[in-house]
Amino acid sequence: EPEVTQTPSHQVTQMGQEVILRCVPISNHLYFYWYRQILGQKVEFLVSFYNNEISEKSEIFDDQFSVERPDGSNFTLKIRSTKLEDSAMYFCASNRLEENGYGYTFGSGTRLTVV
Amino acid sequence: QKEVEQDPGPLSVPEGAIVSLNCTYSNSAFQYFMWYRQYSRKGPELLMYTYSSGNKEDGRFTAQVDKSSKYISLFIRDSQPSDSATYLCAMSARNNRLAFGKGNQVVVIP
Repeated sequence: EPEVTQTPSHQVTQMGQEVILRCVPISNHLYFYWYRQILGQKVEFLVSFYNNEISEKSEIFDDQFSVERPDGSNFTLKIRSTKLEDSAMYFCASNRLEENGYGYTFGSGTRLTVV
Repeated sequence: QKEVEQDPGPLSVPEGAIVSLNCTYSNSAFQYFMWYRQYSRKGPELLMYTYSSGNKEDGRFTAQVDKSSKYISLFIRDSQPSDSATYLCAMSARNNRLAFGKGNQVVVIP
């Protein structure tokens, strides 16, 4: 079964450093997303991306965050200057709007620890 | 009022029991309703998806939606130890952005 692949599985970074989280969505999917889950809290929407541009972003997705699809397969989330409160699981997801409606396929996540 | 409320209390049931989970929501724009299963340190995995009021069955799983009461449920029949996981309700309007509940940790005891 097709999968959304995320790397690395765990990243430790110092506060103030930049991190890039990487994702390879399912190849025939058109919509891409980033969500995050702080330990013990809800999964929260960060951003959606379609046709090479951001289609929607949440209030969490401020200027320190950016997304990019640098080639035909990768989808990245960059956090420019990490803060302690950015520590969370970050999930990439994708879907094809024409089939399965709004059912996403999520990756296994990147655990980001900011120290 | 929170958009999606899911009582996050853990649930322990004996093998073979029926598991009943539910969520309420406040946003009338929500049209699509999903249940995800999440194993420890893994991403959410789509279990059930529906967009109309009523019941939808898939094997041992039944999703129920009552749009008039803004209430959705998931039932797991003949529960198995392999069903032990966290179950998340999620919903969206037409904007393709999911709002999740907090999740219920379910433990099925052999």
